[in-house]
Amino acid sequence: DAGVIQSPRHEVTEMGQEVTLRCKPISGHDYLFWYRQTMMRGLELLIYFNNNVPIDDSGMPEDRFSAKMPNASFSTLKIQPSEPRDSAVYFCASSSYRGRSYGYTFGSGTRLIVV
Amino acid sequence: AQRVTQPEKLLSVFKGAPVELKCNYSYSGSPELFWYVQYSRQRLQLLLRHISRESIKGFTADLNKGETSFHLKKPFAQEEDSAMYYCALSPPGGFKTIFGAGTRLFVKA
Repeated sequence: DAGVIQSPRHEVTEMGQEVTLRCKPISGHDYLFWYRQTMMRGLELLIYFNNNVPIDDSGMPEDRFSAKMPNASFSTLKIQPSEPRDSAVYFCASSSYRGRSYGYTFGSGTRLIVV
Repeated sequence: AQRVTQPEKLLSVFKGAPVELKCNYSYSGSPELFWYVQYSRQRLQLLLRHISRESIKGFTADLNKGETSFHLKKPFAQEEDSAMYYCALSPPGGFKTIFGAGTRLFVKA
């Protein structure tokens, strides 16, 4: 298994543009998480899915952020319109909960810079 | 409230010295605890889980329920241990993992 795959690895965009981040979880994992990492705020959970259904999106900062998981092998995080304060590394992680948590497998992250 | 506290933002030790990264948690119950490591510009990786009672790369962590702590220890630090370390908590029966702010470990030659 290639692990959790995220794309793109880097994204530089202008303020106001739409940004779409993509994630392919590990096959068989039924939980998918989107995190944002910044120097100031550390790791923040944005949203997570179970069996493709959004369970908790309380960490999504604003309506400009949206996430979807149309099937078990693909998820997107969209920011529209993007702002400079959205600049961060966005991580996707997946896991399987078999009675207890066995920890997450993280992707390599997408480094987003909004200018 | 559920909380994970890592009191040290930066920890600097010499190669060969013992290292302890502190983690305290706040949770009224029996959570599952983890340590993750992030090497420079790489993905976060699970280092160890308290349920496994394992030793990974020479690191161990003991859950102390009385002190609500889960400190990460290594008797002899190596330069390649330099990284960011995150302590994390997952409630039993739940799945929303909470991460601490992280401690940057710098091992000097």
